[in-house]
Amino acid sequence: EAQVTQNPRYLITVTGKKLTVTCSQNMNHEYMSWYRQDPGLGLRQIYYSMNVEVTDKGDVPEGYKVSRKEKRNFPLILESPSPNQTSLYFCASSLYGGGTQFFGPGTRLTVL
Amino acid sequence: AQSVTQLDSQVPVFEEAPVELRCNYSSSVSVYLFWYVQYPNQGLQLLLKYLSGSTLVKGINGFEAEFNKSQTSFHLRKPSVHISDTAEYFCAVSEARNAGNMLTFGGGTRLMVKP
Repeated sequence: EAQVTQNPRYLITVTGKKLTVTCSQNMNHEYMSWYRQDPGLGLRQIYYSMNVEVTDKGDVPEGYKVSRKEKRNFPLILESPSPNQTSLYFCASSLYGGGTQFFGPGTRLTVL
Repeated sequence: AQSVTQLDSQVPVFEEAPVELRCNYSSSVSVYLFWYVQYPNQGLQLLLKYLSGSTLVKGINGFEAEFNKSQTSFHLRKPSVHISDTAEYFCAVSEARNAGNMLTFGGGTRLMVKP
């Protein structure tokens, strides 16, 4: 089944404790992206990647890192999480930029 | 830079009534436009998209949207809604000249269909 998977789905952590949210797609898509969703703000793009080893900042990259060492994986790294990063995070992929984006199920992160 | 405004945060409507969800965007260049739907506790699904060509775009579940360049709008419509259409709807835009560029979302419109 074609899908985007994220892990974990739920995470509660404390300020400053490094964490990684994994994202994987099995559709051989070139383009992958991370978003955060906050009430009233819609989705805001954190980082995107047009291909392996090619990443770029979105609207709200501060406090986040990404890497794209393999085509299928695009992990989101929070080196020192803070409470303002409490949010619902979505990973998405598409065959190419501008194409239909397929979204993962979301990761709900709470930073205490 | 591009931006998207969804003028209504909530739209209540009775079942079988028509509905229009409004979306306006701003961009200095040509754009691609999208509507996504998010059902409760789920990720987003694409409803429809405009890349080029006909300005009237038909999507899944009976939805359609019309691209109006002069008014910089991309309103979503459905002639008769069902209870199952209750969800949050997001309009999004990306710059056509730089495929793969940022996708900017509006704040979302919560459609509430009442029996």
